[in-house]
Amino acid sequence: QVQLQQSGPGLVKFSQTLSLTCAISGDSVSSKSATWNWIRQSPSRGLEWLGRTYYRSKWYNDYAVSVKSRITINPDTSNNQFSLQLNSVTPEDTAVYYCARASSFGSGYYFDYWGQGILVTVSS
Amino acid sequence: DIVLTQSPGTLSLSPGERATLSCRASQSVTNNYLAWYQQKPGQAPRLLIYGASSRATGIPDRFSGSGSGTDFTLTISRLEPEDFVVYYCQQYGSSPLYTFGQGTKLEIK
Repeated sequence: QVQLQQSGPGLVKFSQTLSLTCAISGDSVSSKSATWNWIRQSPSRGLEWLGRTYYRSKWYNDYAVSVKSRITINPDTSNNQFSLQLNSVTPEDTAVYYCARASSFGSGYYFDYWGQGILVTVSS
Repeated sequence: DIVLTQSPGTLSLSPGERATLSCRASQSVTNNYLAWYQQKPGQAPRLLIYGASSRATGIPDRFSGSGSGTDFTLTISRLEPEDFVVYYCQQYGSSPLYTFGQGTKLEIK
């Protein structure tokens, strides 16, 4: 059974960096059939995909255009986890942040396992 | 960018009734890579349907998906009390890579 356990601070100051970690059990961050994603949810923006990391003989990342200049997602193979860093945060970045695994069903990728979510509040 | 519009925003029905939820895309969804998720309060979304019409593992057969191109439907054939929560559609493969609809809330009439 795959489990994703998120950790990180629930409060970040304006203009600082938001950092979260997602620990994986029951699968590997180096899996060649999954991708590892960060998604956030807020009343104003709804569910918003932020980016992903995945391994296919080498590491790849894809990021949403809306955050591309501020985001980094890194795999940590030693600890079987992956992380999110979002720089220069504003109150607009206040949201519940989820990590999620996407698996291939047919040839599309869908989110089949999710972390528990962490509410991150950006204080001004 | 592809936009997914769900309707209605809120659907009021009674247990035992049939629910029909709509998801319309602003452009054709790549290879019908369309999913439906259910979200209960305080929980992460749960995958119900992928590829527009395939049920995910462990999902009851009262949930079914249909549609193609730009118009998709989630049908719940006989509503159970635990089904009265929020549902989201999501596309994969267009720009941006993943997009979610704004959600339909199913409430007890």
